[in-house]
Amino acid sequence: DADVTQTPRNRITKTGKRIMLECSQTKGHDRMYWYRQDPGLGLRLIYYSFDVKDINKGEISDGYSVSRQAQAKFSLSLESAIPNQTALYFCATSGAAAGEKLFFGSGTQLSVL
Amino acid sequence: GQSLEQPSEVTAVEGAIVQINCTYQTSGFYGLSWYQQHDGGAPTFLSYNALDGLEETGRFSSFLSRSDSYGYLLLQELQMKDSASYFCAVTGGATNKLIFGTGTLLAVQP
Repeated sequence: DADVTQTPRNRITKTGKRIMLECSQTKGHDRMYWYRQDPGLGLRLIYYSFDVKDINKGEISDGYSVSRQAQAKFSLSLESAIPNQTALYFCATSGAAAGEKLFFGSGTQLSVL
Repeated sequence: GQSLEQPSEVTAVEGAIVQINCTYQTSGFYGLSWYQQHDGGAPTFLSYNALDGLEETGRFSSFLSRSDSYGYLLLQELQMKDSASYFCAVTGGATNKLIFGTGTLLAVQP
């Protein structure tokens, strides 16, 4: 079984719809992250959480919200999806020390029509 | 804020050595990481440098110069399977989060 699991793997939706992307991990890490990847722009940080009671905005949080339901679960919501949110979304986890490597899920390809 | 610069594309031949450079700007620098991503896959960790100097892991090495805000990833004895995107990432700022560069697409040719 994968250590970091994202669901769904692919999603096509329409403008204005609410979408939730889910992430769960079995690594026992406190830190969880959501990144989006667009061609030529690399990985950009949307939100991150260093423990269950901690939520922080990243580089591009507008239009997104998150929920840390438990240590193992971190979900990303698009309240009203728009076409420029079409991207590949990755969830990741890490330990707490500086330089701890990130473990990524397999990604969710989201298309907003 | 934090920013990183790396070349967008590099091409090399099988068996050769290639160096991918990365320059960065950040406050509260902790270290520089490198990740590999094959097309359609998830990024995977390659290396982390917190101190100046060269770290070697098999065919891959990573270098850091904190005074120059510069690092590089060195890939030796290139293989076709090394064709991938390579991202440098800096750990820093007030909250010790990881920010990625835009990635370098490495194409290894026969």
